[in-house]
Amino acid sequence: GENVEQHPSTLSVQEGDSAVIKCTYSDSASNYFPWYKQELGKGPQLIIDIRSNVGEKKDQRIAVTLNKTAKHFSLHITETQPEDSAVYFCAASRGTYKYIFGTGTRLKVLA
Amino acid sequence: NAGVTQTPKFQVLKTGQSMTLQCAQDMNHEYMSWYRQDPGMGLRLIHYSVGAGITDQGEVPNGYNVSRSTTEDFPLRLLSAAPSQTSVYFCASSYSASNTEAFFGQGTRLTVV
Repeated sequence: GENVEQHPSTLSVQEGDSAVIKCTYSDSASNYFPWYKQELGKGPQLIIDIRSNVGEKKDQRIAVTLNKTAKHFSLHITETQPEDSAVYFCAASRGTYKYIFGTGTRLKVLA
Repeated sequence: NAGVTQTPKFQVLKTGQSMTLQCAQDMNHEYMSWYRQDPGMGLRLIHYSVGAGITDQGEVPNGYNVSRSTTEDFPLRLLSAAPSQTSVYFCASSYSASNTEAFFGQGTRLTVV
């Protein structure tokens, strides 16, 4: 069936360094790729998304890249800060409200 | 504007008991869904609804029922709780199929003993 693989499962970086999380999807019809941040005890919150007609999107310190040929997409966080520590989920969708989520990456930013 | 509200936040059930997890949104969103979150497995879709009176099954529907009598509410029913249903449950809503950002509630942590 359709699935999304996410790596790594845990990631520790020094404050100020960059963090990269990678996802691979199986459904070639997927055309919407959101990234969610989940802080402890809270629900996931959208931080950035990209559609299949775009290769890269940036929002301040966060960027997402998409390689449709390889069916890969990645989240890049630059100049990491302690408040970036959270669990990050990628997801893929056919442009509907039904998402297939990755298994999550726990990011720790060390001060 | 409260967004997506889930109640209760925590619940302990005995095997075989039934209960309803409540979900309400005040954003006039047509699409609502329920996910369960288990360690190492991400979020998996249980049931979803594209509007009042319309529901359908997701990836892991067994053991759960839903109904959507109003746009605002989308309760999830566990008819006979089992330990395998121990999980964190999230309700989400989206405005439309084309504007697909999902807004999640705070979650309900359910333990079945």
